[in-house]
Amino acid sequence: QQQVRQSPQSLTVWEGETAILNCSYENSAFDYFPWYQQFPGEGPALLISILSVSDKKEDGRFTIFFNKREKKLSLHIADSQPGDSATYFCAASAKAGGYKVVFGSGTRLLVSP
Amino acid sequence: EAAVTQSPRNKVAVTGGKVTLSCNQTNNHNNMYWYRQDTGHGLRLIHYSYGAGSTEKGDIPDGYKASRPSQENFSLILELATPSQTSVYFCASGDAREANERLFFGHGTKLSVL
Repeated sequence: QQQVRQSPQSLTVWEGETAILNCSYENSAFDYFPWYQQFPGEGPALLISILSVSDKKEDGRFTIFFNKREKKLSLHIADSQPGDSATYFCAASAKAGGYKVVFGSGTRLLVSP
Repeated sequence: EAAVTQSPRNKVAVTGGKVTLSCNQTNNHNNMYWYRQDTGHGLRLIHYSYGAGSTEKGDIPDGYKASRPSQENFSLILELATPSQTSVYFCASGDAREANERLFFGHGTKLSVL
């Protein structure tokens, strides 16, 4: 079973809109949640991350909102640009799991100009 | 700059053949990982290593072996390739000293088993 779930599978937004990518998890021991961004033909690269002791993390146009009680988090991309078109992976890790990273299935984002 | 290099970038193999995917990192990271990426499944961990000489099974190790002969190199071996192993394979490295490890990925190897 997937420990980390993402929705939607794909998302299209217009340039300038806010894209919202959702993620949920099952393992209460997860305490670190990185988001990776992957462009076609490349490997994933770390975009932004959050620890479970926080409920929000901002980095420029990218913001993670985290709800520990509901085991949900979301990535908000404000003022979306065509260059943001990529696949975004939500991931999680736990100290108890030796910090091995578990990935969700990804959300493919298309930003139309 | 952190660098993880995979070879080959593309590979076509026949069913039952042996395939070796290679990975080299210049990050001096202790940890290295092999993932496969399939639509609908995201990235799934096959094997990983904590350092030279060590290999550990990940979540989907069946049909795969791994070898870590040195700090820099980590190979994934398919002794008897099957069409179900057609996928894109990614190698990654990470710093074992970091509690919340950032992974650095290679560009991937696209494997087709016919």
